[in-house]
Amino acid sequence: GQNIDQPTEMTATEGAIVQINCTYQTSGFNGLFWYQQHAGEAPTFLSYNVLDGLEEKGRFSSFLSRSKGYSYLLLKELQMKDSASYLCAVRVLNAGNNRKLIWGLGTSLAVNP
Amino acid sequence: DAGVTQSPTHLIKTRGQQVTLRCSPKSGHDTVSWYQQALGQGPQFIFQYYEEEERQRGNFPDRFSGHQFPNYSSELNVNALLLGDSALYLCASSPSIGTGKPYEQYFGPGTRLTVT
Repeated sequence: GQNIDQPTEMTATEGAIVQINCTYQTSGFNGLFWYQQHAGEAPTFLSYNVLDGLEEKGRFSSFLSRSKGYSYLLLKELQMKDSASYLCAVRVLNAGNNRKLIWGLGTSLAVNP
Repeated sequence: DAGVTQSPTHLIKTRGQQVTLRCSPKSGHDTVSWYQQALGQGPQFIFQYYEEEERQRGNFPDRFSGHQFPNYSSELNVNALLLGDSALYLCASSPSIGTGKPYEQYFGPGTRLTVT
């Protein structure tokens, strides 16, 4: 079956660095996404990895290891506004070349002053 | 350039009723996916439409049906509503495979459905 695991909750301090891990077991892997979702709002795109390695974009970086079925999202210089749910999602392709996203349950990050 | 739009933003229905939610994709996108997100949960894939056909379907009963129109907009219909159908319903649009950027999947603001 298709499965994605990430921690339910994390807490960090303003200005610090936090790493949110995601492990997955899927078939037809075609990329891994990280989305940020504030309460009551739609998810917004943060990062996309399809090859192994680190993708850096400002304060946010995302890492992927396909052989280990593992990714992490790294948030630096945390700000209060980073308090949100962070969703890991894996895109899979089926035999008909159709894509869909398999979502984790999200990690609720609380940034404290 | 308008992004993904959804209507209505909020809806209250009674158990047993039927509901129709609407989505207009981002300009240039022709694939629409629908998700159900319960409070405190990640989005659950309902189905995906491309070229006016349902291409993929998640683990949802036949009470959930959809449609895509020639202009790529889409509707999600839910019949015989249950209390457990109360959730945020998200629509996401993306370009068809082989076009655009592979990570392009933009979400609409969602429709908050409450079933009483």
